[in-house]
Amino acid sequence: GDSVTQMEGPVTLSEEAFLTINCTYTATGYPSLFWYVQYPGEGLQLLLKATKADDKGSNKGFEATYRKETTSFHLEKGSVQVSDSAVYFCAYTGGGNKLTFGTGTQLKVEL
Amino acid sequence: DSGVTQTPKHLITATGQRVTLRCSPRSGDLSVYWYQQSLDQGLQFLIQYYNGEERAKGNILERFSAQQFPDLHSELNLSSLELGDSALYFCASSADAEPYNEQFFGPGTRLTVL
Repeated sequence: GDSVTQMEGPVTLSEEAFLTINCTYTATGYPSLFWYVQYPGEGLQLLLKATKADDKGSNKGFEATYRKETTSFHLEKGSVQVSDSAVYFCAYTGGGNKLTFGTGTQLKVEL
Repeated sequence: DSGVTQTPKHLITATGQRVTLRCSPRSGDLSVYWYQQSLDQGLQFLIQYYNGEERAKGNILERFSAQQFPDLHSELNLSSLELGDSALYFCASSADAEPYNEQFFGPGTRLTVL
């Protein structure tokens, strides 16, 4: 069935390091793809999204490109900050008119 | 602040009991979504209401029910509670019925079943 798989965490990086969090999906049709972020003690917030193949979503220095040929939507940031420490969720609109989330990847950024 | 409010923030109850979680969506949003977040299941979609009507259903147990009222606030009712129902319950809202539009999440209600 439809699903989304993202890399397990925690991912621990030093400040200013390059970040990649992998996300792949299996879905029929042309789903919309999302990255949501959850800061400690808060609800989720939309970070970026892409609605069709080759679209690039970007926000706050984060980017992800909808790659239909590899069914991927990897999250990248060139230089992470301590304030980026959070849990990142890849998600897609699957069947049944709902948003399906991956298991989440915890990012810890240290000085 | 997303504009979505949830009450209460914390709830501690016993097995077999019934609780009601409340959500007020952002002003103007017609859709309300309920999610359950637990360590073993991750973030699971439970149910969506749009303008008072059930729109989509996910992994919601029969012991759970929800409704959306004319003023668009929503309540999630959990009954015959079990230890495994302990989780963080999030409400989210969006402007219309389509899941590919941004959903705005509330801060959650943490339910502990003892």
